[in-house]
Amino acid sequence: DADVTQTPRNRITKTGKRIMLECSQTKGHDRMYWYRQDPGLGLRLIYYSFDVKDINKGEISDGYSVSRQAQAKFSLSLESAIPNQTALYFCATSDLENYGYTFGSGTRLTVV
Amino acid sequence: AQSVTQLGSHVSVSEGALVLLRCNYSSSVPPYLFWYVQYPNQGLQLLLKYTSAATLVKGINGFEAEFKKSETSFHLTKPSAHMSDAAEYFCAVTASSASKIIFGSGTRLSIRP
Repeated sequence: DADVTQTPRNRITKTGKRIMLECSQTKGHDRMYWYRQDPGLGLRLIYYSFDVKDINKGEISDGYSVSRQAQAKFSLSLESAIPNQTALYFCATSDLENYGYTFGSGTRLTVV
Repeated sequence: AQSVTQLGSHVSVSEGALVLLRCNYSSSVPPYLFWYVQYPNQGLQLLLKYTSAATLVKGINGFEAEFKKSETSFHLTKPSAHMSDAAEYFCAVTASSASKIIFGSGTRLSIRP
């Protein structure tokens, strides 16, 4: 099994629908992150969490919300999806001892 | 605040040629620097990282990068390109293990037969 698992892998949804992207990890890391990737823009941080009771906005949090249900689970929600939220979404984890992230395989979301 | 700039959104080299992907950083504190690789339809994989030890860092698949403080650069190189190196490469920076990582916009590497 992968260290960081994202579900679903692909999703097509309609404008205005609520959608949740899920991330679970077996690394035992406290820190979890949600990024979106758009061509030519690299990865931009949406939200991050340094422990279960800690949630922080990233650079592009508008239109998104998150829930940290447990150390191992971090979900991203789009309350009312819009077409410019079409992107590739990545979850990542890290800890204090090792620099760098472990990434999931990504969720490709299309909003039509 | 930290930032990285990757020069060239697309680089194309011949198989067997030198690979050079450029990254310049900006940081108000001593930085920690990374290169990640993303193969098609996959997540990002750590290629190598600089964490204030040796300035020349060796990574996986024959890649290496040199931290040059005077030039604020962390360029990625590989002496001889292989077809399997075709991917997107991201340079990234952070201030510490307690901080979030800031990514560059990426460089797509193509390899010509």
